Amino acid sequence: IAGITQAPTSQILAAGRRMTLRCTQDMRHNAMYWYRQDLGLGLRLIHYSNTAGTTGKGEVPDGYSVSRANTDDFPLTLASAVPSQTSVYFCASSPGQENTEAFFGQGTRLTVV
Amino acid sequence: GQNIDQPTEMTATEGAIVQINCTYQTSGFNGLFWYQQHAGEAPTFLSYNVLDGLEEKGRFSSFLSRSKGYSYLLLKELQMKDSASYLCAVRDPNTGFQKLVFGTGTRLLVSP
Repeated sequence: IAGITQAPTSQILAAGRRMTLRCTQDMRHNAMYWYRQDLGLGLRLIHYSNTAGTTGKGEVPDGYSVSRANTDDFPLTLASAVPSQTSVYFCASSPGQENTEAFFGQGTRLTVV
Repeated sequence: GQNIDQPTEMTATEGAIVQINCTYQTSGFNGLFWYQQHAGEAPTFLSYNVLDGLEEKGRFSSFLSRSKGYSYLLLKELQMKDSASYLCAVRDPNTGFQKLVFGTGTRLLVSP
């Protein structure tokens, strides 16, 4: 079944540890995004990639990094996790044309303690 | 920058009609999207508007007025399963065509 997959589904992480959230899509979409969702704040863009080999910063990029080595994968790395990074993280992708919607993965619930 | 406003919460009765409003202030505009998100799940696409007017899709309709920076989502014949959050999102032209900026969402509670 075509779609976008995130791993892990949930994680409890000690502060200061490094963590990579994985995101893979098999729809050959050009654009991919990482959002975090917090109560009362909605979905906020962390980083995005318009096409393989390029990335850009969103609204809340500090403490996060991404790479886009190929079309399918867009991992998000927390170099040294802090409790304020406790959130639900959603990966999304879109074909890249302006009138097309974004498709979301099922989310990763991350708790930093 | 972008500013997108939606009511935080709304309540309605099964079988009724509800209108969820969204206002936006943007430097540019490349389209407005509505998403539905059930608790604990991913957002799913509902509708897209780029030109003024009403787009109808079954029980759901979405309206856009670009001159007023205003959109609404209309849900008819409400069902219990429509209890969810509804997210308004505007495409940001400042990073090309792809980036979506979301409002904080409107939580809709449908009661029997």
